[in-house]
Order: sequence, then C-alpha cells, then structure tokens
Amino acid sequence: ETGVTQTPRHLVMGMTNKKSLKCEQHLGHNAMYWYKQSAKKPLELMFVYSLEERVENNSVPSRFSPECPNSSHLFLHLHTLQPEDSALYLCASSPTGYTDTQYFGPGTRLTVL
Amino acid sequence: QKEVEQDPGPLSVPEGAIVSLNCTYSNSAFQYFMWYRQYSRKGPELLMYTYSSGNKEDGRFTAQVDKSSKYISLFIRDSQPSDSATYLCAIRGRGSNYKLTFGKGTLLTVNP
Repeated sequence: ETGVTQTPRHLVMGMTNKKSLKCEQHLGHNAMYWYKQSAKKPLELMFVYSLEERVENNSVPSRFSPECPNSSHLFLHLHTLQPEDSALYLCASSPTGYTDTQYFGPGTRLTVL
Repeated sequence: QKEVEQDPGPLSVPEGAIVSLNCTYSNSAFQYFMWYRQYSRKGPELLMYTYSSGNKEDGRFTAQVDKSSKYISLFIRDSQPSDSATYLCAIRGRGSNYKLTFGKGTLLTVNP
C-alpha cells in the first residue's frame, strides 16, 4: 500500500450506532488531518494532529472523537450521529504542518439513516 | 462575505478548449495559493502551488494570482476528457496556522 489509505470506503449507520473510520499513511509524515466534504460546501477542517498531539479542533461536535495512536494512524470514532453528518470524510497527511502540501486519502462515504 | 468564493459550475467544454477556473478571496493576509484536482470517488490531489502574484506554468496548466484584486485563476490548455474532475482552490495565510481555506470546487466535464 502506498500513500494515504482509508477504511471503510463506504459506511451506512443508524443514529444510535457506534463506528470508527480508519486512516493510515505510508509516507512517513508527521501531521494528519480529518476533513468533512459535503455537497455544495467547501472542505471543512475537523481535526489536526502533529506528532500525535492534537493541535486543531475546529469546533466539531463531541459525537466525533479523533484518536491518533502513532504518526501513521488516525481514527475518527463516531457515535449518535445525525443525518446531517452524512458526507465524505477525508483524511490527509503532510510532512509537518500547514507549510507543506497535504496528501489526501480517497475518503469514506458516510450515510447516517 | 465568504473567505473564498468559487463558482461550483458545472462547466462543460469540448475537447481541446481552453478552460478558465477562478476563485476570489477576501482576506489580504492569504499568501499561499493552491489548486487541487479531485476525480470522482477519489481524494483531492495537489495540482499547482504558488505564493506570488503572476503566472506559474506546468505543462498544459497555468496558475495565475492577482493579489491586488484578490483573484486567482487556473487555465487548462488543450483540455482532455481526462481533465474531467472537480477543481478546488485552496488558500493559506503566512505561517504555520494549520488552516487551509478551500473553495466549494468547480465540476468540469471535457466532452470528447
């Protein structure tokens, strides 16, 4: 595997379910990001981790909980989501912080019923 | 006023046409300008990156920045069906402030 991978690629969940999204980067980068992409809206930054420390939490509801166990892996834990949370969730990585190019994964298409 | 404005299209052109994609921004502190391309069912990939006013060329692609007008453009010459994708502008201020501001993206279709 190369680049940034995300699993699952598609997820359908009910509002009472708990699920997790996984991101893995094979680029040796130190910063990782979660973005939300909704139709007709710009990409929204959710969380940033640098060297496994969360450095940005962009006013995201607590039903989204990130976890970064090491610099190669990033998780987004989901619980009691709302239908408006349905979107494409993109993971990205960069060598260090925002001064660098961000490399995106293919995303997880999430549908909340 | 939104920080970055981008017409979402869709834009449909015949093969070989010159394509012009544009964004405007409101914050004069923005210093770094990027264009990302996103194919269907894929994540965005960086296409062009510039930090100064003027033109930057890479093959069939030219990125243009006019800081005085707060206006950026991406031109695609001799467009190909493989250029069909969503193009997103992304802008960042100086320093490591961890925030890229994206436009909504423009959906481009190049018809053979």
